[in-house]
Amino acid sequence: QQQVKQSPQSLIVQKGGISIINCAYENTAFDYFPWYQQFPGKGPALLIAIRPDVSEKKEGRFTISFNKSAKQFSLHIMDSQPGDSATYFCAASILNTGFQKLVFGTGTRLLVSP
Amino acid sequence: DVKVTQSSRYLVKRTGEKVFLECVQDMDHENMFWYRQDPGLGLRLIYFSYDVKMKEKGDIPEGYSVSREKKERFSLILESASTNQTSMYLCASSLWSSNQPQHFGDGTRLSIL
Repeated sequence: QQQVKQSPQSLIVQKGGISIINCAYENTAFDYFPWYQQFPGKGPALLIAIRPDVSEKKEGRFTISFNKSAKQFSLHIMDSQPGDSATYFCAASILNTGFQKLVFGTGTRLLVSP
Repeated sequence: DVKVTQSSRYLVKRTGEKVFLECVQDMDHENMFWYRQDPGLGLRLIYFSYDVKMKEKGDIPEGYSVSREKKERFSLILESASTNQTSMYLCASSLWSSNQPQHFGDGTRLSIL
């Protein structure tokens, strides 16, 4: 019940295209869903996050879509650029008083071809 | 700027050795975390700490222990290293707040021979 399933494992998108990464969870107690971006040789960094009281959150070219009834959420990268090539991790957490105990997906390696 | 520093980028140790991985953050964060990252498995939480001398088990604590004697420093200890502990280890920190992001170091790639 603590798992977060992520797909696809890898993705190749042409420059200017839309990249879509999907995640699904089982634990309905999760109430915080962040996406982290990781470049080679670097640690992950928070990209965007959503709470389940909204169905969509947009920050620039990055959008999270959230479907509470289906227990699914996805990351959409519009107008994908070669600089977006990285590994993306979805995660889920039950928000405690002072910390997030994140459960991560298995990651998606995105390559945006020029 | 936020900075989480892991003492080694690469480390090679032998089976049975006691291994120390060190992490220091300069942001006065209350929370610190240790993860391991393996291909196809994502990041898995080993231990975390929300205060000096406090620690909580994560999802895969077996074979590991931690130490937090000072607020800025969080150490991961492999009591008797085994080959299945060969991995990338990531340290993170965050403020004591439910909606603050975790800030990660760049990782230590540990090989146990």
